[in-house]
Amino acid sequence: KAGVTQTPRYLIKTRGQQVTLSCSPISGHRSVSWYQQTPGQGLQFLFEYFSETQRNKGNFPGRFSGRQFSNSRSEMNVSTLELGDSALYLCASSLDVGAGIQYFGAGTRLSVL
Amino acid sequence: GIQVEQSPPDLILQEGANSTLRCNFSDSVNNLQWFHQNPWGQLINLFYIPSGTKQNGRLSATTVATERYSLLYISSSQTTDSGVYFCAVVPSGTASKLTFGTGTRLQVTL
Repeated sequence: KAGVTQTPRYLIKTRGQQVTLSCSPISGHRSVSWYQQTPGQGLQFLFEYFSETQRNKGNFPGRFSGRQFSNSRSEMNVSTLELGDSALYLCASSLDVGAGIQYFGAGTRLSVL
Repeated sequence: GIQVEQSPPDLILQEGANSTLRCNFSDSVNNLQWFHQNPWGQLINLFYIPSGTKQNGRLSATTVATERYSLLYISSSQTTDSGVYFCAVVPSGTASKLTFGTGTRLQVTL
């Protein structure tokens, strides 16, 4: 069974641009969560989607948004990029909301210049 | 919100040595996971252990939910064990949002 797939693996953008990251969960998993990892703040929860609905949201500005499609794939978007958005973005999937083990993808490393 | 503290923050071991990593959390949880982050950034699942004891090869983990802590044991460490180990929890009564500790950075030397 394939794991969680995130694309692209690396991105370089400039300030003010926008970016879209993609996450395909493990087959059969319906919940997708996104996390940001930075050296200063560690790993922080962004949001969680289940059945195409955002179920939970972390403490991030509105420039960070996401969505989930009917096949459970998810995308997150960051608009008007800032230098501080440079981070490793990790996606996790689980069978259901609040249900057990979360499995992580390899991440997308975003650099904002 | 829930607080998750890991100790020690850094650990240097010689190959073959044993170690114990600790995770303290401030409230009751319905999910606790241990991860190993490899040099490329991926979080590898080690254990899902909201309570009790589990073993997987040279690794084992124990969570004492009533006392709000979890321990990860690494025996006969190898250089491939190097990396950062994270404990993450989901507080009871919430959804799937994992709150991570700050991690233990382990370096295993020859």
